[in-house]
Amino acid sequence: EAEVAQSPRYKITEKSQAVAFWCDPISGHATLYWYRQILGQGPELLVQFQDESVVDDSQLPKDRFSAERLKGVDSTLKIQPAELGDSAMYLCASRPTPSGTGERPQYFGPGTRLLVL
Amino acid sequence: AQSVAQPEDQVNVAEGNPLTVKCTYSVSGNPYLFWYVQYPNRGLQFLLKYITGDNLVKGSYGFEAEFNKSQTSFHLKKPSALVSDSALYFCAGRGNYGGSQGNLIFGKGTKLSVKP
Repeated sequence: EAEVAQSPRYKITEKSQAVAFWCDPISGHATLYWYRQILGQGPELLVQFQDESVVDDSQLPKDRFSAERLKGVDSTLKIQPAELGDSAMYLCASRPTPSGTGERPQYFGPGTRLLVL
Repeated sequence: AQSVAQPEDQVNVAEGNPLTVKCTYSVSGNPYLFWYVQYPNRGLQFLLKYITGDNLVKGSYGFEAEFNKSQTSFHLKKPSALVSDSALYFCAGRGNYGGSQGNLIFGKGTKLSVKP
């Protein structure tokens, strides 16, 4: 069964450093999402891509976060500089194009757990 | 503002007993509703969805959920709980109105603990 791949699984960094996370969605999934999940809370959307285009980045802190999906396949989320409050799980999800029968679910990767010291 | 609420932080059930994890929603237009399960240090796994049609939706691992429009609820249920069902469960939803769709909103999660 195809899965969303993410790396690294864990990342420890010091504040003010730069970090980057990588996501490879399920093949053929045009829509890709990055979420941030703080411990004890549900995921919150950071950015949504449709192919290589950003559809929604209204919740992305653009002063320090950036995301790209240059060829419309895999994606990178970057934080520079990292702050203590960025410690969280970063989840990537992908979704196939909705079919004639309706809405399709999002499929999540295992996540990258970030700890900023 | 759209929202999804899970009123219980934790649900404790004995193995073999029925379980219910509660979810209520507030979205614009017709709701699209989902349940996901998360095991420690893992991503979310899709369990089931409600888009339209029958109010009782059947999903993976014996789980089902009942959509109740009048109560704006979408409770997750299982007739007989297993110890291996112990995990964090998330309800999520979004609205569909006039061809526009909002982003998926997640509840804060409910920890299910099934004791032998």
